[in-house]
Amino acid sequence: EAGVAQSPRYKIIEKRQSVAFWCNPISGHATLYWYQQILGQGPKLLIQFQNNGVVDDSQLPKDRFSAERLKGVDSTLKIQPAKLEDSAVYLCASSLGAHEQYFGPGTRLTVT
Amino acid sequence: GENVEQHPSTLSVQEGDSAVIKCTYSDSASNYFPWYKQELGKRPQLIIDIRSNVGEKKDQRIAVTLNKTAKHFSLHITETQPEDSAVYFCAASIAGRGSTLGRLYFGRGTQLTVWP
Repeated sequence: EAGVAQSPRYKIIEKRQSVAFWCNPISGHATLYWYQQILGQGPKLLIQFQNNGVVDDSQLPKDRFSAERLKGVDSTLKIQPAKLEDSAVYLCASSLGAHEQYFGPGTRLTVT
Repeated sequence: GENVEQHPSTLSVQEGDSAVIKCTYSDSASNYFPWYKQELGKRPQLIIDIRSNVGEKKDQRIAVTLNKTAKHFSLHITETQPEDSAVYFCAASIAGRGSTLGRLYFGRGTQLTVWP
């Protein structure tokens, strides 16, 4: 079974620039999550989708972050404009049921 | 929302010894508690989980215990090996509560180092 795919794996941008990340969940997984993991901390949920609808985006900084999941499969997370404090690993995860979540390899973002 | 505390932040043990990592949670409605292992530069991987209707679960050298009354749960690794060295994260879920279905709240992680 193929795992969660993410791209790019690494991205370096300057502050105030824009960036987008892509995630392809495990086939058949209806729930998709985006987490932000700052160095030395545990992942923190940014947004959760159930099929193509948003379930929870309470921790998403909506003035600069946006996410979409068209057709209930792939998802993109965008940051515009980026700030220095956005430097982190962005993890995508998916689940079939309500609990077990499988993570992708992440995108390491460095904002200079 | 839920708050998960994890201790210790670092743990060093000799190969063959046991390691114990402890977590507490704040929301008594939490009903699912997974543990993830994350090696440097890699994705978090689920190693074991426990649900609130079970007090203990074991999988070979790994076991997890849950005390709902005290709102804490622990990871136990026996006969540690150098390849167990990684960061371990506990998490709690309050799945079933409307829009928070399946959301995981993570602890800050424990860096486990197993010395040969």
